[in-house]
Amino acid sequence: EVQLVESGGGLVKPGGSLRLSCAASGFTFSSYSMNWVRQAPGKGLEWVSSISSSSSYIYYADSVKGRFTISRDNAKNSLYLQMHSLRAEDTAVYYCAREMATIGFHAFDIWGQGTMVTVSS
Amino acid sequence: EIVMTQSPATLSVSPGERATLSCRASQSVSSNLAWYQQKPGQAPRLLIYGASTRATGIPARFSGSGSGTEFTLTISSLQSEDFAVYYCQQYNNWPLYTFGQGTKLEIK
Repeated sequence: EVQLVESGGGLVKPGGSLRLSCAASGFTFSSYSMNWVRQAPGKGLEWVSSISSSSSYIYYADSVKGRFTISRDNAKNSLYLQMHSLRAEDTAVYYCAREMATIGFHAFDIWGQGTMVTVSS
Repeated sequence: EIVMTQSPATLSVSPGERATLSCRASQSVSSNLAWYQQKPGQAPRLLIYGASTRATGIPARFSGSGSGTEFTLTISSLQSEDFAVYYCQQYNNWPLYTFGQGTKLEIK
């Protein structure tokens, strides 16, 4: 079964740090670009960051640039998001999402169940 | 940044009826548009990509149309499991993806 499982969420104080993980299974992880998408409570979806299959290309939303770092370990079938200088507005469910492998199509075809990050004093 | 605007914010439809959801882009995204369904407490699920191609396992009652700046998701005969929030997403400007704010489809 194709699956993504996030972990690492929790309660952190403003200014603190947290590292999220996403474990992939059931597919060739090293062949896919991966993304983090977040959803604040009661709000819509916001793309956060993207990493290509070999980590050659990395992109961030302006809202997290300079504070978050995306990375992956293809040997461990894992995706990561290191978050620093956390703010209240970073409070959200964080999803990892697989980008379609079909050339020219960049929709997200597989999503994890999400991990909640709460930034509060 | 390409801004995606969905309408209406909430749509009330009776089971068995047709639902039409709209998504507008602030500039052309060609056919580089996807639709997702999200139920409470669940992750989004890909329904449509390339503006009109159903994803694997998506029932034929879901259809997408449009190109450029105007897009539509149609659900031909609503089933109870279709009541959810629907998001459009542009990937024309990938990897700087943007989502619409969502349309909540509720039972009338």
